[in-house]
Amino acid sequence: QKEVEQNSGPLSVPEGAIASLNCTYSDRGSQSFFWYRQYSGKSPELIMSIYSNGDKEDGRFTAQLNKASQYVSLLIRDSQPSDSATYLCAVNTPYTGGFKTIFGAGTRLFVKA
Amino acid sequence: KAGVTQTPRYLIKTRGQQVTLSCSPISGHRSVSWYQQTPGQGLQFLFEYFSETQRNKGNFPGRFSGRQFSNSRSEMNVSTLELGDSALYLCASSLAGTGHGNTIYFGEGSWLTVV
Repeated sequence: QKEVEQNSGPLSVPEGAIASLNCTYSDRGSQSFFWYRQYSGKSPELIMSIYSNGDKEDGRFTAQLNKASQYVSLLIRDSQPSDSATYLCAVNTPYTGGFKTIFGAGTRLFVKA
Repeated sequence: KAGVTQTPRYLIKTRGQQVTLSCSPISGHRSVSWYQQTPGQGLQFLFEYFSETQRNKGNFPGRFSGRQFSNSRSEMNVSTLELGDSALYLCASSLAGTGHGNTIYFGEGSWLTVV
């Protein structure tokens, strides 16, 4: 079992719709969770972080965390073609030296105009 | 403030050669991590340095090495290059590295092509 799993997609949504991206993780000791966006040919950029169960909203983006289910998601409201990118889920997972950041393989999102 | 700076941005090397990539972290950040990204394998962790010490290492052969200097700048070296080493090499920096809330920020990456 991979430590952080994401559906590779591609996920295709029409412009204006809600895009829902999902991520599961294996280590119950994981504490912090992040979403990065990566455009083709570019490096990942941080979109959001979430540490507590529940929802966290930032503009059109909402991160949702459920530690009991070991599940974190990212909702993008009013999706725009400019949101088309690969979205990487990252989890801070404990190891003997503290915590390390583990990335999922990413979900490709296409927003159709 | 300035972000993570990586040099060179693009380079082409021949099989068997070696390459050195450089990374300057965000000012005040003491942890530097390196990742390899290829279309087929996604983002693969290479190693992490903190206060000039390698603190964590991924599953890469010994041809891949790195170091960190006292000013937190880091270099990674790949010796005896193979075609499969062609990838985007990403450097990421963070404040301290092992706290559960630690957030990493990426540089623009170095595109390496091995021919």
